[in-house]
Amino acid sequence: NAGVTQTPKFQVLKTGQSMTLQCAQDMNHEYMSWYRQDPGMGLRLIHYSVGAGITDQGEVPNGYNVSRSTTEDFPLRLLSAAPSQTSVYFCASRPTPQGTGNTIYFGEGSWLTVV
Amino acid sequence: GNSVTQMEGPVTLSEEAFLTINCTYTATGYPSLFWYVQYPGEGLQLLLKATKADDKGSNKGFEATYRKETTSFHLEKGSVQVSDSAVYFCALSQNTGNQFYFGTGTSLTVIP
Repeated sequence: NAGVTQTPKFQVLKTGQSMTLQCAQDMNHEYMSWYRQDPGMGLRLIHYSVGAGITDQGEVPNGYNVSRSTTEDFPLRLLSAAPSQTSVYFCASRPTPQGTGNTIYFGEGSWLTVV
Repeated sequence: GNSVTQMEGPVTLSEEAFLTINCTYTATGYPSLFWYVQYPGEGLQLLLKATKADDKGSNKGFEATYRKETTSFHLEKGSVQVSDSAVYFCALSQNTGNQFYFGTGTSLTVIP
């Protein structure tokens, strides 16, 4: 059971480089999202998507781009990496955008360091 | 707006001790409430949930009761084990919204 799969697990970037974090889910979930996790700040929503072709900004979208061309994939692009983007990134999905008790499922995380 | 407040950590307990991690929330209406657990180096996993007032969620010996009158969803376990060492997140979602709102997490370490 693959669930939500993220790659890479670890990455070191130089300031100004760009990269893409990949996320795929095999549960046919409509809703996908990206969070970053920083010490003392919990999880903060970067971008989310309620279906193929539809994306929207979360709490901390600056410096990141997303697209949703298929139901399964939701890549996160760092346009020009900055040290402030050093963080752990989690992709997450849920069956539908709304609904009572609708559980969200997380990938295992991507540890990104920008030097 | 919607928000979740958890007790500050870290929490250190001896094996077999009683655990309480406090969680209160701010929300309109009747959100669904969740506890997630994150083991070292892993993503978050659902621990338990409750979808309406007075519901009790339970799993692996953990329990939490949805208290509308005190806007709380405290996590409890009667006897913790070393394997319970992890970070615990309280969260809410509005049934008509599409976002989850997480607390900042509470780190628990259980020592033998």
